[in-house]
Amino acid sequence: GEQVEQLPSSLIVQEGASVLINCSYTDSASVYFPWYKQEPGKRLQFIIDIRSNMERKQTQRLTLLFDKKTKHLSLHITATQPGDSAIYFCSATNTGGLSGKLTFGEGTQVTVIS
Amino acid sequence: DMKVTQMPRYLIKRMGENVLLECGQDMSHETMYWYRQDPGLGLQLIYISYDVDSNSEGDIPKGYRVSRKKREHFSLILDSAKTNQTSVYFCASKDRGKNTEVFFGKGTRLTVV
Repeated sequence: GEQVEQLPSSLIVQEGASVLINCSYTDSASVYFPWYKQEPGKRLQFIIDIRSNMERKQTQRLTLLFDKKTKHLSLHITATQPGDSAIYFCSATNTGGLSGKLTFGEGTQVTVIS
Repeated sequence: DMKVTQMPRYLIKRMGENVLLECGQDMSHETMYWYRQDPGLGLQLIYISYDVDSNSEGDIPKGYRVSRKKREHFSLILDSAKTNQTSVYFCASKDRGKNTEVFFGKGTRLTVV
């Protein structure tokens, strides 16, 4: 089955600096890649997604890059704020019928310090 | 207001006891999920449900079963809980349509002692 790997597992960044989270997947049938943010003690919240027919998506301070050939994604967060401190999850899902299985990476703990 | 509600939020059970985790959603989503979250492992899929009485095993179904008798409710049952089932359990739901957002509940922290 699909496997999703994220690196790094954790990072600490100075407020205002940028963050880069890498994600790789194994199943070439995966076509949709949503990312989620989980603040301490809270539910996962959708933050950005990309489909396999795209190479780049940007929303406010988030930029998501996708390389279908290498099965690799990277999430770039600019101008970090204390509220960006959270665990970030990459996920992957394939299309095909009713299959809605979402496979998650292990998560990246981001800590923004002032 | 789109919402996934989990009950209870916190639960402590003794080894061997039965456990019932409840989940409800108000969006009439066909697809619902149960995940568990453990440090360093991310979220692991236990079961997925495509609609009433249409459930499939996820990646780690052993020791769990589910029930979906109404579209709005999806229950996770642990028959004879084990200490290694101590975890945070998340319920989620999505519309049947492909590539739509998954909505998560706030989670249930289960401790089996």
